Amino acid sequence: DVKVTQSSRYLVKRTGEKVFLECVQDMDHENMFWYRQDPGLGLRLIYFSYDVKMKEKGDIPEGYSVSREKKERFSLILESASTNQTSMYLCASSLLTGLNTEAFFGQGTRLTVV
Amino acid sequence: ELKVEQNPLFLSMQEGKNYTIYCNYSTTSDRLYWYRQDPGKSLESLFVLLSNGAVKQEGRLMASLDTKPRLSTLHITAAVHDLSATYFCAEDNTDKLIFGTGTRLQVFP
Repeated sequence: DVKVTQSSRYLVKRTGEKVFLECVQDMDHENMFWYRQDPGLGLRLIYFSYDVKMKEKGDIPEGYSVSREKKERFSLILESASTNQTSMYLCASSLLTGLNTEAFFGQGTRLTVV
Repeated sequence: ELKVEQNPLFLSMQEGKNYTIYCNYSTTSDRLYWYRQDPGKSLESLFVLLSNGAVKQEGRLMASLDTKPRLSTLHITAAVHDLSATYFCAEDNTDKLIFGTGTRLQVFP
């Protein structure tokens, strides 16, 4: 059974804190993604990675950075958390090439910044 | 600008009725995905459509893809309460998925 696991379901952090969201997949997928989901806005891509140490900006990278030191792990970092980063964060992974690039999602992390 | 538009955004329907959710996308991609999300949960893959004319069915849901007008549909037949959820379509754009804003479906007795 395919699996994408996010380290926390719920997080509460203070404004200005550095926040790490971790994601691990066990499918040997090359691609990994971080999305945030807000009511009425759907899913917006923050960053993605095609390979270890590779990263690409998505649509809303400001205020975020990422790290991919190992193929199975992709971390999202909020350098200095702000209240407008309160959101649901979803990690996903997929194959890099091939006909089917279906993405598999983790369970999500609901982050509240106070 | 890459865009995926779904309509309707909200759908309230009676059990037993039929309805269609529409998904318009902007690229020349021929790969389109449908996901379901229950409240407070993550996204679950429903259908993978990988070519023009593709049709997939699972229970009361049927998805199709027509690449010429860049349109995918998700048809619901004889809705039941268990289908209440938010449905997202997503197009493949150079191996990353661009999502629509979702259609929140509520089925009532």
